[in-house]
Formats: sequence, structure tokens, C-alpha cells
Amino acid sequence: EVQLVQSGAEVKKPGESLRISCKGSGYSFTSYWISWVRQTPGKGLEWMGRVDPSDSLIIYSPSLQGHVTISADRSISTAYLQWSSLKASDTAMYYCARLDKVSGTSDSWGQGTLVTVSS
Amino acid sequence: DIQMTQSPSSLSASVGDRVTITCRASQSISTYLNWYQQKPGKAPKLLMYGASSLQSGVPSRFSGSGSGTDFTLTISSRQPEDFATYYCQQSYSTPYTFGQGTKLEI
Repeated sequence: EVQLVQSGAEVKKPGESLRISCKGSGYSFTSYWISWVRQTPGKGLEWMGRVDPSDSLIIYSPSLQGHVTISADRSISTAYLQWSSLKASDTAMYYCARLDKVSGTSDSWGQGTLVTVSS
Repeated sequence: DIQMTQSPSSLSASVGDRVTITCRASQSISTYLNWYQQKPGKAPKLLMYGASSLQSGVPSRFSGSGSGTDFTLTISSRQPEDFATYYCQQSYSTPYTFGQGTKLEI
């Protein structure tokens, strides 16, 4: 069974750093991209970027590039999303999803990680 | 970025009704169009890919059509478990943008 398991909820203060994770199992981790999707409270879905675990090639959404870092460690089948300096506006639910390399379709999703940034 | 516009933003329908949701892309995306269903407190779930291909395990009452810039998701006979928000997404070019969502209500 394909599974993406994300790390637990986080509560942070503005300016703090954070890294959340997404561990894949049940499939060849390097055969699919991993994407990150943000959902702010009561809002829709925003695609943040994707990483190819086979070569660590990363594509960011232009609106987010420079504020977050996406990475992957294929040796442990895990992808990461990290911030060096959180803002209150980063408060959101973050999902990772498995992306088909041909169609770009997200056919399996993690359960989500809620990040709350508040002073 | 390619802009995706869904309509309507919300929709009330009774059990058994036929429901149609539309999605328009700001430029041609061929058939690189996916539909997702999201229930409250849950991750999105893939319903359709390639505009008209049904994801494995999804009931056949769901169907999709379209190419280029205009797409539709149809539920042939709405069931109680279909209460959710539906999103279209283009996977033609990055960033893979989503529509704003259509909330299907009772």
C-alpha cells in the first residue's frame, strides 16, 4: 500500500526555523516526484513546489521561492519542507503528495501537517 | 502562471441530482487537468486525471470531459457522501495551479 506519512503538528513563534517531513512507503520513492501543497484556514489549495528524489531537482512556485526550501533524502525515502524564518502568514496546513512524473497527477497524499505561527 | 477558474464556487444539490462543475484555464493545457475531492479535515483525494480518466476506486457516477481551456466534472446522481469541496488542477506547466474550489452542499 502506498503511504505518505507526515510529521506532527507544530507551534512556532515568528522568526523561528522549522522543518517538516514526509516519508514515503509502499512504492519506489525515486520513481515519483514529491510535491508540497499549502492550505490556509478556510482557503483553497496552493501548489508550493516539487522535488525529484532521484536527483534532488527542485522546482518552486515563483510566489514562494526564497522563503521555503524543499529537499529529499532518497536513502530514507523522505522529503522535507523547511523555513529559516517563519512568519505568521505561514500558518497553514501543509500536505505532501506523490506526483506522477509524466502526468503531474497527485495520486497519493499525506495526512497533512498543521503549522501554527504565533507570538 | 496558468490561472484556473472554477464555477460555481458553491452548489446546493439534492441526492440523486446531476451535478456539473466547470473549470476554465487561462491558456490551453491540453488534457493535463485533474480533479480532486476534499472532505472537511481530510487530505484531497484524486478523482479524475487527464481530464477524463477515472482514478481507480472512484465510483463511476463521476465523469470528466474537456480539453484545451474548458473542462467539466459531472456527478451523474449525487450521493450523500459526495458532500465535499472539489478542486481542479492543471499539471501542464509548473506551478501546478488549482482552481479556487467548488463546495457541494446539501
